Amino acid sequence: LAKTTQPISMDSYEGQEVNITCSHNNIATNDYITWYQQFPSQGPRFIIQGYKTKVTNEVASLFIPADRKSSTLSLPRVSLSDTAVYYCLVGGPNTDKLIFGTGTRLQVFP
Amino acid sequence: GAVVSQHPSRVICKSGTSVKIECRSLDFQATTMFWYRQFPKQSLMLMATSNEGSKATYEQGVEKDKFLINHASLTLSTLTVTSAHPEDSSFYICSAGTSGVKPGNTQYFGPGTRLTVL
Repeated sequence: LAKTTQPISMDSYEGQEVNITCSHNNIATNDYITWYQQFPSQGPRFIIQGYKTKVTNEVASLFIPADRKSSTLSLPRVSLSDTAVYYCLVGGPNTDKLIFGTGTRLQVFP
Repeated sequence: GAVVSQHPSRVICKSGTSVKIECRSLDFQATTMFWYRQFPKQSLMLMATSNEGSKATYEQGVEKDKFLINHASLTLSTLTVTSAHPEDSSFYICSAGTSGVKPGNTQYFGPGTRLTVL
């Protein structure tokens, strides 16, 4: 199972773009990269998933370089409600188990 | 789509009693469900993998006789904390795997159950 490394915390202001980078140096060929958001006393919420290059949905973008050893979650124009912990995980279609790292605690200020 | 529920959301019990937590996939079938525990200000810790119709696989350090897991159907898994003690107080979260439905391996998480043992 690939181990991920993320910054422990980040601060931002409302309206700014936030980029959270995750390192996963030993990612396997079959592994996908998935990001989750968690608010206090709630279960993690799926944000976005990708395998390579760039993926975009209505809430975020995910950038994955060619070597796939890292990925960057981009949150456009954050608001106060984006204050949460963000987890990066890697896992493949035949590996159901996901191991959570420390996550990144994002604090958005007005 | 891909909604997972948990019941109860919050439970308070006396030391020595047993508590059962249910995890349901509401709009999809989940052959695999997972149970996590989370202490305040910490990350989620995987406790066990629950497969429908077979015994659960426990992570190292998790007592299988204390945390009983049953996955009797494709939409329901239960976690029973037996003879609970104050140190078992925690936030318990389940997830259901949708491998094969989406590309990759996507897990959808329940809202969690706050267990407080007095």
